[in-house]
Amino acid sequence: DVKVTQSSRYLVKRTGEKVFLECVQDMDHENMFWYRQDPGLGLRLIYFSYDVKMKEKGDIPEGYSVSREKKERFSLILESASTNQTSMYLCASKGGELFFGEGSRLTVL
Amino acid sequence: GEDVEQSLFLSVREGDSSVINCTYTDSSSTYLYWYKQEPGAGLQLLTYIFSNMDMKQDQRLTVLLNKKDKHLSLRIADTQTGDSAIYFCAESGTYKYIFGTGTRLKVLA
Repeated sequence: DVKVTQSSRYLVKRTGEKVFLECVQDMDHENMFWYRQDPGLGLRLIYFSYDVKMKEKGDIPEGYSVSREKKERFSLILESASTNQTSMYLCASKGGELFFGEGSRLTVL
Repeated sequence: GEDVEQSLFLSVREGDSSVINCTYTDSSSTYLYWYKQEPGAGLQLLTYIFSNMDMKQDQRLTVLLNKKDKHLSLRIADTQTGDSAIYFCAESGTYKYIFGTGTRLKVLA
């Protein structure tokens, strides 16, 4: 079975803190994605990566950056967290279909 | 730009059929998808349809695609309480998946 693991299920951070969200997949997929999920807005694409060290902005990249140093790992970075970044963050990896992690619920106080 | 729209809520009685509707804008999508999200979990692929098909049936699930109207629907026959979840439709391009807002299905016993 494909496994996409998001290391942190729940995080609480303060405004201005730097936040790292980690995602690891075990199927050697080239394409990985970070989405943000908010009620009534569905899933919005923040960034995606189609290979190691390659990244593309999605629809809402402002306030976020990403890192893909190894094929299996795709990290989302909030350089200075703000309250409007309180959300559910979903990582996905693509191999035929999209496989999702369980999500990381981030609260910024 | 691309857009995928769904109604936000649907409530049905156990044993009835549920029909979840979706409209999309990108006529070049090769595949259209239905994903299910159970509480506290990531999204799981439920079913998909190739863009040159009109209908696909998979056990209790029937997907109908009207390409002229850019309308996709998911019918769940004999809806059970375990079907209570959020259902997302999605269309895909080369790299990106565009998701709808999600429809929260509530099944009443």
